Amino acid sequence: EVQLVQSGAEVKKPGESLKISCRGSGYNFANYWIGWVRQTPGKGLEWLGILYPIDSDTRYNPSFQGQVTISADNSISTAYLHWGSLRASDTAFYYCVRPFGFPGPAQYWGQGTLVTVSS
Amino acid sequence: EIVLTQSPGTLSLSPGERATLSCRASQSVSSNYLAWYQQKPGQAPRLLIFGASRRATGIPDTFSGSGSGTEFTLTINRLDPEDFAVYYCQQYGSSPYTFGQGTRLEIK
Repeated sequence: EVQLVQSGAEVKKPGESLKISCRGSGYNFANYWIGWVRQTPGKGLEWLGILYPIDSDTRYNPSFQGQVTISADNSISTAYLHWGSLRASDTAFYYCVRPFGFPGPAQYWGQGTLVTVSS
Repeated sequence: EIVLTQSPGTLSLSPGERATLSCRASQSVSSNYLAWYQQKPGQAPRLLIFGASRRATGIPDTFSGSGSGTEFTLTINRLDPEDFAVYYCQQYGSSPYTFGQGTRLEIK
């Protein structure tokens, strides 16, 4: 059974850095694209980007390029979403997703990680 | 980027009725790469339909998708109480992938 398990909720201050994680199981992690989606009450669902773990090919939504970094560690079947300097507007639920194929819809979803950025 | 507009914003129906949800794209969706998701409170979205009309694994045949180009429809026949949720469309044919703003299906 494919599962994506994300790290827990985070509360951070503006300007701090953060890395959240998503561990995949039940499939060969390196061979499937893995992406990140965020959800806010104001803007709804937004696609941040996607990475192919086997060669680290990464595609970003231009709106988020430079704002976040997507990476993976194949040895522990884990993908990451990293911020160097958080802003209040980064407050959101973040989901990791595994499409079937690329391009492809998000077939599998993590349970979500709530990130709150507040002074 | 492709903007997806869903209508109506809220749909109030009774169990047993049919729901028809619309998703309009600002430009043609490449290869009809259009998906529909269902989201219930406190849960991640769940994939229902992909490729405009193909049901995802485990999705009952009361859910059907249709359309092409810029106009797409999700139909839910014989609404079950479990079907009342928020529904989103998404296009994955052009980067960046984009989502509609959602239709809330509520019990009348």
